[in-house]
Amino acid sequence: GAVVSQHPSWVICKSGTSVKIECRSLDFQATTMFWYRQFPKQSLMLMATSNEGSKATYEQGVEKDKFLINHASLTLSTLTVTSAHPEDSSFYICSARTTGTVNYGYTFGSGTRLTVV
Amino acid sequence: GDSVTQMEGPVTLSEEAFLTINCTYTATGYPSLFWYVQYPGEGLQLLLKATKADDKGSNKGFEATYRKETTSFHLEKGSVQVSDSAVYFCALRVIDLVGKLIFGQGTTLQVKP
Repeated sequence: GAVVSQHPSWVICKSGTSVKIECRSLDFQATTMFWYRQFPKQSLMLMATSNEGSKATYEQGVEKDKFLINHASLTLSTLTVTSAHPEDSSFYICSARTTGTVNYGYTFGSGTRLTVV
Repeated sequence: GDSVTQMEGPVTLSEEAFLTINCTYTATGYPSLFWYVQYPGEGLQLLLKATKADDKGSNKGFEATYRKETTSFHLEKGSVQVSDSAVYFCALRVIDLVGKLIFGQGTTLQVKP
């Protein structure tokens, strides 16, 4: 089945530095990638939607200059947390929309635990 | 806007007990509905789905029926196992060109031996 590889699985960084999270679709082309943020014991909050070759669409309240999303190819999307601060610590999950007509599906990455110290 | 509401957790059950996790939704039209499961430290896995009214999704002993009359998609399992301990998310797919998912708040299930 469709697999999305997300790396790193966890990262610790210093406040003020930037962190890049990668999501690769291994055996399919991900034309659309969704990026979520999950706080402890809470639901997934959609941050942005990216389509290959175009700018990402951010949800209301998400700072696009802080959370840079690049979807340069059909198999790779990246999320860069710039100038990270402790409040950015969270679990980030990507999800690729698999191709198809009406009944398309979604494949999720395994998530990245970001801790900013 | 579209939304999903799940019953509050955590839900604690003994092994072989019957499980119900309630889920209701608000949406324009009749969206596809999903249940996802998340094990500790992992991403989400699709458990089951239903794409139209009266459809029943099923997988690994779990079932959920798309009820448009009550706008519900309750998750059930007749006999839970310790290995079912996880967080369960109900979700709907917004009917638009993007098709993003909107999730409920998640329900933690803990099954004790």
